[in-house]
Amino acid sequence: AQSVTQLGSHVSVSEGALVLLRCNYSSSVPPYLFWYVQYPNQGLQLLLKYTSAATLVKGINGFEAEFKKSETSFHLTKPSAHMSDAAEYFCAVSGGGSEKLVFGKGTKLTVNP
Amino acid sequence: GAVVSQHPSWVICKSGTSVKIECRSLDFQATTMFWYRQFPKQSLMLMATSNEGSKATYEQGVEKDKFLINHASLTLSTLTVTSAHPEDSSFYICSASGAGVSYNEQFFGPGTRLTVL
Repeated sequence: AQSVTQLGSHVSVSEGALVLLRCNYSSSVPPYLFWYVQYPNQGLQLLLKYTSAATLVKGINGFEAEFKKSETSFHLTKPSAHMSDAAEYFCAVSGGGSEKLVFGKGTKLTVNP
Repeated sequence: GAVVSQHPSWVICKSGTSVKIECRSLDFQATTMFWYRQFPKQSLMLMATSNEGSKATYEQGVEKDKFLINHASLTLSTLTVTSAHPEDSSFYICSASGAGVSYNEQFFGPGTRLTVL
């Protein structure tokens, strides 16, 4: 079985500060890992994904994440937060030949001016 | 990128009526479509997975007779909420994956807000 734990349901940062959203996963098979962003009343937009190639993955809008197998982590970072980054962020895992995504509970990011 | 649309974007209905939500892949063939339900301020819960031309596979605890899923073509899947009740009010999101698009990636629709009075 696979699972995802997102540490911190709410994260608040100042504009221009580092963004760090934490994600730990559990998987008995090599995982595919994803970060999605959701704005209010909208669907999910893919930020980036790890599919067993490079462990440091760069995504859209300046976000990146590093896959660390030893720590079973896939934390999302952005060097400098913008007001437009305020949204809900979901980490998800799939793998083992299944396309099913298992989502974490989400982290709401607030960016303060 | 691959685009998925949903219709309607929001719907209000009376208790006891049925509501149909459409999910379309606009620029690729969706061999697999997924239906999720999202409660306010919560994560997405997978309801069912459907492959074109096959019966949907429902997740444990999801009533297949209440949430009817049809995936009759490679670009269209529908979710029908039958005899809807207020507790069915939720945000329903579909996603699709398929041939010719990024491997093992799901593309999400914008969601449908269902309110049952």
